[in-house]
Amino acid sequence: RKEVEQDPGPFNVPEGATVAFNCTYSNSASQSFFWYRQDCRKEPKLLMSVYSSGNEDGRFTAQLNRASQYISLLIRDSKLSDSATYLCVGHQAGTALIFGKGTTLSVSS
Amino acid sequence: EAGVVQSPRYKIIEKKQPVAFWCNPISGHNTLYWYRQNLGQGPELLIRYENEEAVDDSQLPKDRFSAERLKGVDSTLKIQPAELGDSAVYLCASSRRPGEIYEQYFGPGTRLTVT
Repeated sequence: RKEVEQDPGPFNVPEGATVAFNCTYSNSASQSFFWYRQDCRKEPKLLMSVYSSGNEDGRFTAQLNRASQYISLLIRDSKLSDSATYLCVGHQAGTALIFGKGTTLSVSS
Repeated sequence: EAGVVQSPRYKIIEKKQPVAFWCNPISGHNTLYWYRQNLGQGPELLIRYENEEAVDDSQLPKDRFSAERLKGVDSTLKIQPAELGDSAVYLCASSRRPGEIYEQYFGPGTRLTVT
């Protein structure tokens, strides 16, 4: 079982929709979590960090539930430009980032 | 500020041939990473450098892969001999300091096809 698991999708939604991605992690020692975004045939880029208290950046909200070992990303009012793959990432101090397989989002007009 | 530079962007080789990838990190970034990303997967770490020291190479297949970062700046990743299963995108990333491992800046990658 991979340390970080995501539903690969694809998620196909119309513009303006709200969409949520979920991610689970198996290593309870993981301390930090992040969401990276990767456009088709491009490199991954940091989207946002994830905190237990929740983290909001414009239309994006990330949440961490340590008890359930569950991470979420909510995108409100989806735009065409949100179409990408969203990578859930875990980190344990002194070790490398562990990337999930990614969840693909396609927003259509 | 220039980003992470990688070359070549694409490489097609026959199996059993050698191949090398080059990476120049963002100026001032001490930590450098090499990842491999297979189709439909997330990046997987191959090796991490702090300056010129390889501090994590546990996932590097050492029988055929080697890497170096002699002066603590740019880095080269080599595969010899290449196998069909090595076809993937090889990503280089850098971060400013060890404590900022989460904010890694990735290069565009080298797309390797082994035939």
